[in-house]
Amino acid sequence: QVQLVQSGAEVKKPGASVKVSCKASGYTFTSYGISWVRQAPGQGLEWMGWISVYNGNTYYAQKLQDRVTMTTDTSTSTAYMELRSLRSDDTAVYYCARHGGNGYFDYWGQGTLVTVSS
Amino acid sequence: DIQMTQSPSTLSASVGDRVTITCRASQSISSSLAWHQQKPGKAPKLLIYKASSLESGVPSRFSGSGSGTEFTLTISSLQPDDFATYYCQQYNSYSGTFGQGTKLEIK
Repeated sequence: QVQLVQSGAEVKKPGASVKVSCKASGYTFTSYGISWVRQAPGQGLEWMGWISVYNGNTYYAQKLQDRVTMTTDTSTSTAYMELRSLRSDDTAVYYCARHGGNGYFDYWGQGTLVTVSS
Repeated sequence: DIQMTQSPSTLSASVGDRVTITCRASQSISSSLAWHQQKPGKAPKLLIYKASSLESGVPSRFSGSGSGTEFTLTISSLQPDDFATYYCQQYNSYSGTFGQGTKLEIK
């Protein structure tokens, strides 16, 4: 069965970076894209960007494109999302999601809480 | 960027009611529209994709319709498990914007 298992919770100081991982299993990793979505406490879902695992092409949300990098390691079927220059408003649960079909998100990771606090 | 606008933001209903949630796109997205359900503390779950295709395992009381810029999610007869927050999401043109969400509450 398809599973996306994310790394554990992180606490970071303002200005630091965080790298969240998302390990895929149960399907051919290179056949599907991966998106990253975040959700601040009590707020809605915010799409951050996605990576084509097949060719490594990335597409980032405009407001984050200067601070975010998405990568994959096909040897371990793992996707990564790094966010730099963290601010308090980056405190959120970060999700990875697999692209089914033409890009809808058919499977989600369990989420990783990133807390930014001095 | 494509903007997605959902209405209403909150909906109060009773078990057995028929409810409809609307989602509007700021420009045409053809049928590149999905609906997700999220319960507190949990990851979202895909319900509908390609505007009207029911994801495997999702009860048939859920249905979606629309194309272009106007879309709806309908739950034909609310069950206790359906009280949650619902998000529309467009996946056109290499992006994946969400609506702001509709919280479905028990009346």
